[in-house]
Amino acid sequence: NAGVTQTPKFQVLKTGQSMTLQCAQDMNHEYMSWYRQDPGMGLRLIHYSVGAGITDQGEVPNGYNVSRSTTEDFPLRLLSAAPSQTSVYFCASSPRTSGGSNEQFFGPGTRLTVL
Amino acid sequence: GENVEQHPSTLSVQEGDSAVIKCTYSDSASNYFPWYKQELGKRPQLIIDIRSNVGEKKDQRIAVTLNKTAKHFSLHITETQPEDSAVYFCAAGYSTLTFGKGTMLLVSP
Repeated sequence: NAGVTQTPKFQVLKTGQSMTLQCAQDMNHEYMSWYRQDPGMGLRLIHYSVGAGITDQGEVPNGYNVSRSTTEDFPLRLLSAAPSQTSVYFCASSPRTSGGSNEQFFGPGTRLTVL
Repeated sequence: GENVEQHPSTLSVQEGDSAVIKCTYSDSASNYFPWYKQELGKRPQLIIDIRSNVGEKKDQRIAVTLNKTAKHFSLHITETQPEDSAVYFCAAGYSTLTFGKGTMLLVSP
């Protein structure tokens, strides 16, 4: 199993450009999430999905869109990049259980710089 | 929503000493409390987790304790080694997780 994969590893954008960060998992996990990590801020939830066709906003959703057409893929779209979106982005997946949250498996991350 | 506070932000210990990192949470509905270790430039990786129906869990040199009444949980690392040096994050939640801001642990030989 490849686990959780993310592309690209690094990206530099100019202000106003749009792009999509890709995330895929091969563990048949129902839950997938996007986090951003900034120095001293921990991991903050951007958007999450509890299954194909279902998405919801996290703590910091502004400026980002997501969709979940398949169980495996959960892309994150930046609509009009801003310098404040410079960050490291992590995708994570976890299995669904009746008891709530479970271990989240993280991808390797995408380091994004917006000039 | 959930709010997780983590202390200290940095912790320096000598090899062989114990290290303790503490977190508090605000939402009594949270029932899952994982701890992640993140080495520089790497992804976070789970080292131990605990659910609200358990007060303590241990895995070799690592243990986690949970006090639901006081809404706090702690990570204990005994006999620290230089390879334990990393940033540690606590988290709490039910359907989604809220992370603390992290503790940078430095273990000196």
